[in-house]
Amino acid sequence: KAGVTQTPRYLIKTRGQQVTLSCSPISGHRSVSWYQQTPGQGLQFLFEYFSETQRNKGNFPGRFSGRQFSNSRSEMNVSTLELGDSALYLCASSLEPNTGELFFGEGSRLTVL
Amino acid sequence: AQKVTQAQTEISVVEKEDVTLDCVYETRDTTYYLFWYKQPPSGELVFLIRRNSFDEQNEISGRYSWNFQKSTSSFNFTITASQVVDSAVYFCALNTQTDSNYQLIWGAGTKLIIKP
Repeated sequence: KAGVTQTPRYLIKTRGQQVTLSCSPISGHRSVSWYQQTPGQGLQFLFEYFSETQRNKGNFPGRFSGRQFSNSRSEMNVSTLELGDSALYLCASSLEPNTGELFFGEGSRLTVL
Repeated sequence: AQKVTQAQTEISVVEKEDVTLDCVYETRDTTYYLFWYKQPPSGELVFLIRRNSFDEQNEISGRYSWNFQKSTSSFNFTITASQVVDSAVYFCALNTQTDSNYQLIWGAGTKLIIKP
């Protein structure tokens, strides 16, 4: 059974640009969550999608957005990039939302210059 | 406030030693769940355990064991006879639900180094 797949694995952007990250969950998993991991702030929850609807949301500005498609694949977008957005963005999938039992991908490492 | 504290930033032990990772949490909820995750150098977080607040029985899984004590708001994780492959960052997490918004609150993590 394939795990959670995130693309791209690494990317470099400049301030002001936007970026889209993609996540394919484990087959059969309908819930996808996104996390930001930085050395300073640690792991922080961005949002969770289930059945194409955002179910839960963390405390991030509106520049961070996401969506989920009918096949459960998810994308997250960050607009008007700032230096502080440099981070490892982790996607996790689960069978149902609100379980906490998450299966993570290897992450997309974003560097903003 | 909901909070998870992992006071040990980094622990280094020699292979085969036992090691305990501490986790202290704060929550106003009477029903909650606690979690441990492992993050090896590859970056992919791996789920280890989920424990609900009504189950204070200790859990053992091979060389891993967990001690949950509500009286001290702690959920500690012990690795017995550590191995080099146990080297990773370990995170403790607490679920929180405010209104209808559910999310995990994570500790800062403990970096465990097992020396051969």
